Amino acid sequence: DIQMTQSPSSVSASVGDRVTITCRASQDVTGWIAWFQQKPGEAPKLLIYAASTLLSAVPSRFSGSGSGTDYTLTISSLQPEDFATYYCQQAHTFPYTFGQGTKVE
Amino acid sequence: QVQLQESGPGVVKPSETLSLICSVSGVSFTSYYWNWIRQTPGKGLEWIGYIHHSGTSDYNPSLKGRVTISVDPPRNQFSLKLSSVTAADTAVYYCASVGGFGGSFDSWGQGALVTVSS
Repeated sequence: DIQMTQSPSSVSASVGDRVTITCRASQDVTGWIAWFQQKPGEAPKLLIYAASTLLSAVPSRFSGSGSGTDYTLTISSLQPEDFATYYCQQAHTFPYTFGQGTKVE
Repeated sequence: QVQLQESGPGVVKPSETLSLICSVSGVSFTSYYWNWIRQTPGKGLEWIGYIHHSGTSDYNPSLKGRVTISVDPPRNQFSLKLSSVTAADTAVYYCASVGGFGGSFDSWGQGALVTVSS
């Protein structure tokens, strides 16, 4: 299985801060990376797919980048509704696998 | 707009079979791949498997031998069966769709908490 390692596991931030979350895959996933946001009691919500493509309803303060084994999710100016846990997921090889999550608090 | 809804028992006894159904609405059932994913505090998010309306499926090797996903296109439903459950299978189970967004899970059900307990 491809292991996905996120860092940090949690980040303390304030409204307006720039937040960066990284995800490292145990092998090259050639850009087949997605990012999800999950709030307590809710299902994960897809934000970004193919490493950098935002879903149409996702605010432009979210961005994704990376290649090979290393990927980044950036929130350029944290908003109150962005406090949540974020997960990366590789869609390169079955079984699809997720990172362990990064809590933005 | 894909809408998914899980249904099934909230408690299953150890060694028995966990059964869940996902009802799909809002889209053509034939256009997507249908998935089950579970989430536990200890192991996080774990992909269980997928099925296509054609019957093509694949499962996570960690669960192979215990999991079966089947599809009922006329009812716009797909289902999960997980046999010989233990406490380690206690989780929130989600159904989710994959419809072309880079192989990612673009829509999710609300989740169903299943507890394995006698």
